[in-house]
Amino acid sequence: AQSVSQHNHHVILSEAASLELGCNYSYGGTVNLFWYVQYPGQHLQLLLKYFSGDPLVKGIKGFEAEFIKSKFSFNLRKPSVQWSDTAEYFCAVKWGTASKLTFGTGTRLQVTL
Amino acid sequence: DAGITQSPRHKVTETGTPVTLRCHQTENHRYMYWYRQDPGHGLRLIHYSYGVKDTDKGEVSDGYSVSRSKTEDFLLTLESATSSQTSVYFCAITPGGEQYFGPGTRLTVT
Repeated sequence: AQSVSQHNHHVILSEAASLELGCNYSYGGTVNLFWYVQYPGQHLQLLLKYFSGDPLVKGIKGFEAEFIKSKFSFNLRKPSVQWSDTAEYFCAVKWGTASKLTFGTGTRLQVTL
Repeated sequence: DAGITQSPRHKVTETGTPVTLRCHQTENHRYMYWYRQDPGHGLRLIHYSYGVKDTDKGEVSDGYSVSRSKTEDFLLTLESATSSQTSVYFCAITPGGEQYFGPGTRLTVT
């Protein structure tokens, strides 16, 4: 079955530290890839997406992600986190022409001052 | 904002009672989705719709039914609520490949 893995369940960083959150998906051909963020008490918001082209994708709030096809990965990065980045982050994958997204279980990021 | 509203936003109900959650969109999108979010499980798809009266099951559809009689409304019904259905429920639409989510409904079944 197609699946999405986020191996980091809870990450704690100090402000200004660099961030990298892992996302791996099972093999399945053509994919569209997404990262969503959920701030406490809020709904999911799209951070960035990859459909095709440049595998390095830039999103909102200084986030970026790199699609590495050979590793089935789409890791999220930010050079310097802020306290306001404290949230839960979800990776999601859409395979081929499917109309559904499959989500990872999420990574909770806590940024300390 | 993607033009999605959900009602109610919070609900407490008793085991065995029927519950209906409503998702309303203002943008005439064909696809609509219902998810539940639980700690440690991320978001799991319950049901989705690809048009009026056209629906299909997701990965956790047992105990849930849906209906879509108008493009703008997608209803999720728990015929007989159980404590395992205590969760936060999100509706989503797909304007252009990515999904946009509503504000969520927090349902507690006592």
